[in-house]
Amino acid sequence: DAGVTQSPTHLIKTRGQQVTLRCSPKSGHDTVSWYQQALGQGPQFIFQYYEEEERQRGNFPDRFSGHQFPNYSSELNVNALLLGDSALYLCASSRTTPPYEQYFGPGTRLTVT
Amino acid sequence: DAKTTQPNSMESNEEEPVHLPCNHSTISGTDYIHWYRQLPSQGPEYVIHGLTSNVNNRMASLAIAEDRKSSTLILHRATLRDAAVYYCIPGDSGNTPLVFGKGTRLSVIA
Repeated sequence: DAGVTQSPTHLIKTRGQQVTLRCSPKSGHDTVSWYQQALGQGPQFIFQYYEEEERQRGNFPDRFSGHQFPNYSSELNVNALLLGDSALYLCASSRTTPPYEQYFGPGTRLTVT
Repeated sequence: DAKTTQPNSMESNEEEPVHLPCNHSTISGTDYIHWYRQLPSQGPEYVIHGLTSNVNNRMASLAIAEDRKSSTLILHRATLRDAAVYYCIPGDSGNTPLVFGKGTRLSVIA
């Protein structure tokens, strides 16, 4: 079992550009959550997808959007990048039945210049 | 969301027990206490969770105060691989988003 995988590992973008990050959940998991982790801080919840719909959303602007595909994989899109969007973006997968532990991927390090 | 208070950092000698405290005085009656840890350059990983009774698994033990306003994560014999940031997260048992604080950075000395 490969666990949660994310791509790319690192990414450098310019202010104003758009970026797409990808996540494949752990086998058997149907729910994907995205988190943003700034340097020295704990991860902050962006949104969660289940059955191809956004189920919950944290305090992030509409520039952050996502998608979940029928195979449960997910994308995170960020439009009009700001310098402050530079962070580690973490994907976590889980099940809607017990056990509910969230399994995290290694993250994508986004740098906005 | 319940607020948590954890020490910023702790240090332990290798093969010694480590007790990581967490205060969560505003926890709701139905919230579980989850612990995750984040090793350097990795995503967080689940450690343990509990509601009222103390819990044990292969990674750690969780001791929960009788009033549930605090808990302690116990690593019975710290190894170098246990050096990580440990997060205490109150929340329900369902598939709900995790609310991370700043956690406790544990250093393990050989």
